[in-house]
Amino acid sequence: EVQLVEAGGGLVQPGRSLRLSCTASGITFGDYGTSWVRQAPGKGLEWVGFIRSKTYGGTTEYDASVKGRFSISRDESNSIAYLEMNSLKTEDTAVYYCTRTRGMVRGGVINYNALDVWGQGTTVIVSS
Amino acid sequence: IQLTQSPSSLSASVGDRVTITCRASQGISSFLAWYQQKPGKAPKLLIYAASTLESGVPSRFSGSGSGTDFTLTISSLQPEDFATYYCQQLNSYPFTFGGGTKVEIK
Repeated sequence: EVQLVEAGGGLVQPGRSLRLSCTASGITFGDYGTSWVRQAPGKGLEWVGFIRSKTYGGTTEYDASVKGRFSISRDESNSIAYLEMNSLKTEDTAVYYCTRTRGMVRGGVINYNALDVWGQGTTVIVSS
Repeated sequence: IQLTQSPSSLSASVGDRVTITCRASQGISSFLAWYQQKPGKAPKLLIYAASTLESGVPSRFSGSGSGTDFTLTISSLQPEDFATYYCQQLNSYPFTFGGGTKVEIK
């Protein structure tokens, strides 16, 4: 069974750090990218950032709201992705989902087209 | 790229045909996906590449459009379809989502 399981959420004070993990099973981890998406209480979905698979350089992209504070990485050998969150703000309070990012290769270039597998989410509360 | 969904909510009955619109602030070709989210659950992929049905998704769901204007249609609303629907563009970073459309029971 294809599965993503997030962990590491909790209550943290503003300005502090937290690291979330996302463990994949039943997936050929290295073939796909990983995105993180968050959802503040009662609000819509917000894309946080993305890491390409090692095959495509392992590089990252971030939303402007988290760029410079958040960092995404992957441990390919253990099929785990991480979201390192620093200088946390109250507005970072949300459920954080990791997702498998699927794409299609054309002419040697990959175009991502869907977040096709989602974890159950982990809750981060930033409050003093 | 901003995505504007309309309406933000709607009330419909079982068996109704429902159409949700997603408009992009600039052209995104066909790099658009639709997701369904039920309360307390993770979103579920319904459609990708604007019109391709994800495996296992009922055929009453369909998507169309390209460029800036897209639609998600549910041909005959079923009880399990009452949920919130989101569009997402994957043409350029950041991969933004629309604001969501909540489909409620009339």
